[in-house]
Parts: sequence; structure tokens; C-alpha cells
Amino acid sequence: KQEVTQIPAALSVPEGENLVLNCSFTDSAIYNLQWFRQDPGKGLTSLLLIQSSQREQTSGRLNASLDKSSGRSTLYIAASQPGDSATYLCAPVRGGYQKVTFGIGTKLQVIP
Amino acid sequence: DTAVSQTPKYLVTQMGNDKSIKCEQNLGHDTMYWYKQDSKKFLKIMFSYNNKELIINETVPNRFSPKSPDKAHLNLHINSLELGDSAVYFCASSQNRDTYEQYFGPGTRLTVT
Repeated sequence: KQEVTQIPAALSVPEGENLVLNCSFTDSAIYNLQWFRQDPGKGLTSLLLIQSSQREQTSGRLNASLDKSSGRSTLYIAASQPGDSATYLCAPVRGGYQKVTFGIGTKLQVIP
Repeated sequence: DTAVSQTPKYLVTQMGNDKSIKCEQNLGHDTMYWYKQDSKKFLKIMFSYNNKELIINETVPNRFSPKSPDKAHLNLHINSLELGDSAVYFCASSQNRDTYEQYFGPGTRLTVT
């Protein structure tokens, strides 16, 4: 059974800081991994998708890396902004049936 | 244009009632999902349908029954609602079951009193 751990559970940083969110998963036989953000009372917004054959993906100020063999992924946010405040969820996917397991998330607050 | 929509957004009902939540996607995707996010914010998959065929059915009580009239719709019917069913239910879709990126609806907050 896949277990996903995200560290830290919560993070508060001043605006402009670069930060790293960590995700670890127990079953490395994944198909791919997706990072989402969830704003309070809202649904999930897809940020980045990394295929199992890739090591990283970048979108704007976001960079996600994947080390499948060690069961780790990181999300790097450059020059953080107050609008980045949200909960960030890591979701590795097993197999062709897209069985997704979510972490509990890292709640990020960026202080102006 | 809303890609994945759910109705209702909020649902308050009493124990023992039967209720349905509807989900529609206009992305032309083949695969749709239902997730439950409980009060501790754990998000867990409940069901997945691919072209109207059930492909994932996690350990969910029989009181929950998904129905897919066509590949653009996946509805969730819940019988005999219990207090523990209170949660936010999210619908999602993806191109197909092999192409992962999932798109989520806004969620339905169900409160059972």
C-alpha cells in the first residue's frame, strides 16, 4: 500500500524567499507524480506532472524533481509571493489504472 | 468555461436520507473519478470510470453507488446517509486511464446532521 508523507506540514515564509517542499512515497513503482495546489474551500489545481522517466519539470517559478528509486519528490518555489499561499499536495500514481495516493499536504503561507 | 463541474456545491441533509451529487466534464475525457476529502484533509480515491466502465472501486460502503450515463457524466448516489459521510467530495477527469493529468471539480461539501 502506497503511503505518502509531506514535510513540512506547514510553512510560513516572508515574501521573496525561495522554498522547498518535500514529498516521500513508499512504493517506487509509480507511473508518474503530480503536484497540486488547493486553495481554502476550493478544488485542486494541477501544477506539474512528472513522468516516471523524467527527473524534473518546470513551470514558471515552480520546479519539481523526482527521484523514483529513492521515493522522493521536491517542489521548489522561487521568489515566493503571497498568492502562492495554499496547501500543496503531492500525488504519486501507480499503474495504468491511475491509482492515485495523496499526501496530507504542506500548508504554505507567504507573508507580505 | 468550466472544465469539471459539480452540483450542488453545498449539501446539508439528515441522517438516513438518500442524496446524489452530479459531475460533468466538457473536456472530452474518457476517465472520471470520485474522491473524498475528510475533516483531516485526507484525500482518497473512491471510484474511477473509464468510458462508462468501473475500473477502480476502493473500499467504500455499498451505500455509495456511482453511475455513469455517458462518459461526460459521473454521478454519485449515497443511500442511508451517516454522520461519517460528512466530507468534501471531489470529481475529477483525465484524458484516459493511461494519461495521468487529472482535472478537479470545485467540490461538494456534504454535511450530514
